Amino acid sequence: DTAVSQTPKYLVTQMGNDKSIKCEQNLGHDTMYWYKQDSKKFLKIMFSYNNKELIINETVPNRFSPKSPDKAHLNLHINSLELGDSAVYFCASSSRGTGLGLNEQFFGPGTRLTVL
Amino acid sequence: AQSVAQPEDQVNVAEGNPLTVKCTYSVSGNPYLFWYVQYPNRGLQFLLKYITGDNLVKGSYGFEAEFNKSQTSFHLKKPSALVSDSALYFCAVREGSGGYNKLIFGAGTRLAVHP
Repeated sequence: DTAVSQTPKYLVTQMGNDKSIKCEQNLGHDTMYWYKQDSKKFLKIMFSYNNKELIINETVPNRFSPKSPDKAHLNLHINSLELGDSAVYFCASSSRGTGLGLNEQFFGPGTRLTVL
Repeated sequence: AQSVAQPEDQVNVAEGNPLTVKCTYSVSGNPYLFWYVQYPNRGLQFLLKYITGDNLVKGSYGFEAEFNKSQTSFHLKKPSALVSDSALYFCAVREGSGGYNKLIFGAGTRLAVHP
């Protein structure tokens, strides 16, 4: 009964390929996020969806396209992979609670992407 | 823009001794602050948060954090460290409001607890 799950856990691919990472949460949350953690462990938000609507889109190359088919899923598709895309990608979810958005985010285990 | 700083890359402490992991913040308005822990090859786990109220916030695994407005700090503390506390710790501040919010993370501090 994993709360936030991601597949695959590891992804090794060649430059120029297209790949997808899937995320699912069974917590009943209405907001989901994608974060990127680089080799120096620095974490930065990429996207956020609230009730399937894109609400945060940071300065991310348009090769990255998130898709949320429903509130429980947020997938990340990456086109034309580059060496610099190698990182660990974390999915997270939260609920709005009282509407102030102050509830904590729950993170998935991460997907380690290696681009060769 | 909101930001947090973690001035120490690594903190070393002997098992049984008290530990402190430092975090300072820079925000406009009220600060909403969080601490997360990341164990090797795992996702982040929530430890505690400060929204309002008591300056001393208690969280998971015996951790607590002290909010200090005058020093703009939110240091993580534990009275007696365990070897199993060794991990990467992130301080974060919320930016935005309502559903349109995101976490801005510090660079992380690696805690090493030695037997």
